[in-house]
Amino acid sequence: DAGVTQSPTHLIKTRGQHVTLRCSPISGHKSVSWYQQVLGQGPQFIFQYYEKEERGRGNFPDRFSARQFPNYSSELNVNALLLGDSALYLCASSLAFAGRTGNTIYFGEGSWLTVV
Amino acid sequence: GESVGLHLPTLSVQEGDNSIINCAYSNSASDYFIWYKQESGKGPQFIIDIRSNMDKRQGQRVTVLLNKTVKHLSLQIAATQPGDSAVYFCAENPGNQFYFGTGTSLTVIP
Repeated sequence: DAGVTQSPTHLIKTRGQHVTLRCSPISGHKSVSWYQQVLGQGPQFIFQYYEKEERGRGNFPDRFSARQFPNYSSELNVNALLLGDSALYLCASSLAFAGRTGNTIYFGEGSWLTVV
Repeated sequence: GESVGLHLPTLSVQEGDNSIINCAYSNSASDYFIWYKQESGKGPQFIIDIRSNMDKRQGQRVTVLLNKTVKHLSLQIAATQPGDSAVYFCAENPGNQFYFGTGTSLTVIP
């Protein structure tokens, strides 16, 4: 069975540009969460979408946005890229709302974004 | 904000020994915890989880202990192998999202 798949795996962007990252959850999972992981740190929560609705947002500026499609796949968009946005962006899926006890989140391999 | 911390940022163990990785969490409302393993260049991989109504849970070669009194979590790896070398994260969920610690880097010495 396919796990969480993310694309692209690596990309380089210039400051001020825009980036779109894509994620397909595990089959049957209805919740997708996005995390940012800076080198040497743990993942930080950006967004959670459940049943196509935003169900949580972390402490990230409005330059970050996301959406979930009817097939439960998701996109993360970042506008006006800054050097500090360079990080590994992780997508995680869960069967149901990840805020509920016992709903494990499973991660993809991530998209490595470098902003130059 | 939430704070999930680890007592030791790095840990080196001899192959075959047992490893213990510790984690302190800050939110007494957290009722679900997960340990993840992250190898270099890869996404975090689920190892084991535990709910707050349990003190201990065992998996294959791994055991998670939860002490709610002092808000402490530990991951024990039995008979550590070279393939266990990775960064280990604990994550807590107080009911809305998961909060991750900074991780412990485990190095297994052959």
